[in-house]
Amino acid sequence: ETGVTQTPRHLVMGMTNKKSLKCEQHLGHNAMYWYKQSAKKPLELMFVYNFKEQTENNSVPSRFSPECPNSSHLFLHLHTLQPEDSALYLCASSQELGQRYSPLHFGNGTRLTVT
Amino acid sequence: RKEVEQDPGPFNVPEGATVAFNCTYSNSASQSFFWYRQDCRKEPKLLMSVYSSGNEDGRFTAQLNRASQYISLLIRDSKLSDSATYLCVVNERDTGRRALTFGSGTRLQVQP
Repeated sequence: ETGVTQTPRHLVMGMTNKKSLKCEQHLGHNAMYWYKQSAKKPLELMFVYNFKEQTENNSVPSRFSPECPNSSHLFLHLHTLQPEDSALYLCASSQELGQRYSPLHFGNGTRLTVT
Repeated sequence: RKEVEQDPGPFNVPEGATVAFNCTYSNSASQSFFWYRQDCRKEPKLLMSVYSSGNEDGRFTAQLNRASQYISLLIRDSKLSDSATYLCVVNERDTGRRALTFGSGTRLQVQP
């Protein structure tokens, strides 16, 4: 098993659809993240979960809804998205070490296209 | 001012050249620093952590300058396979954010 796996790899959805992105980490980490990467922009942090508790919601619109049922799984539920939400959505995990951070390990990402 | 700033490039260098990238950060309390590499349409992958005393991994050398708030990445003897975007990553705990902030990346193209 690779460290962080994401499904699906590609997703095309209409603006009225509801879909979910799934992420699973096999590294025993205690923190999981959703990042968004749009063309020619830096990675934008969306959500952070630490020990299953959401510790950060970086002003993300409510049409994105995260869920973290346990420390190994993370979901991003999508509904009524806009075309500008088309991007690469990356899940990551890490081990929070108090004042320091361990590196992030990323999944392959889901390339989302909203039509 | 951007929190983490990088020259977007592209840096076009011949094989075998030495190339250096800098990255500046705005949060003086930052304590964790990394360089990531991202290939086209792929996820970012950790290249190396950056330690206070500087560190080296093969052809790659990373340095931290806390006084001037920048980190650098030096690549010696560039290979074609080094062509990628290099992302500077810094933590922002002092601002209350509990995650790492990424720069926009510097694109490197190594030419034969």
